[in-house]
Amino acid sequence: KAGVTQTPRYLIKTRGQQVTLSCSPISGHRSVSWYQQTPGQGLQFLFEYFSETQRNKGNFPGRFSGRQFSNSRSEMNVSTLELGDSALYLCASSFGAGGPYNEQFFGPGTRLTVL
Amino acid sequence: DAKTTQPPSMDCAEGRAANLPCNHSTISGNEYVYWYRQIHSQGPQYIIHGLKNNETNEMASLIITEDRKSSTLILPHATLRDTAVYYCIVRARVLYGGSQGNLIFGKGTKLSVKP
Repeated sequence: KAGVTQTPRYLIKTRGQQVTLSCSPISGHRSVSWYQQTPGQGLQFLFEYFSETQRNKGNFPGRFSGRQFSNSRSEMNVSTLELGDSALYLCASSFGAGGPYNEQFFGPGTRLTVL
Repeated sequence: DAKTTQPPSMDCAEGRAANLPCNHSTISGNEYVYWYRQIHSQGPQYIIHGLKNNETNEMASLIITEDRKSSTLILPHATLRDTAVYYCIVRARVLYGGSQGNLIFGKGTKLSVKP
């Protein structure tokens, strides 16, 4: 079974621009979560989507947004990029159903550099 | 803040068992212990999780103390490819249709396996 895929893998943008990152979850998984990883702050939760609805949101400004499509694929968007947005953006998928077997499987990430 | 405490770094000789400790003294009855690892600049990889019984899979064993206040991840025969940052995370059981609950990553333990 294919794993979580993220595109693009690397991206360079300049301040003020906007960016859209894409995530395709493992087949059958309905929940997608996004995380930001920086050297200073570590891994931080951005938001979670299940059945096209945002179910949980981390403490990030409104410039960070996301959505999920009917096929469970998800995108996240960052508008008005700042230098501090340079990070590894990780997507994780899980079944999203109840019970203990809800481990999240991560993709390889998108490395965003803001100049 | 992360609910777990881990040593910042550990060394292990190749071929020997690596025992990574984790303290989670405030864990509640419905929270599971999860372990992930992250090899440099890759997405975190799920290893194992448990509630109160010891667990074993093809990657590792998880030993949880009877009072559930601490646990140990055991890699039985560490190889150079096991060099990574290991994260111990506690997370509540997910109810059907409920939020997955974001994973709260601490700083983890940097395990260095040496030849």
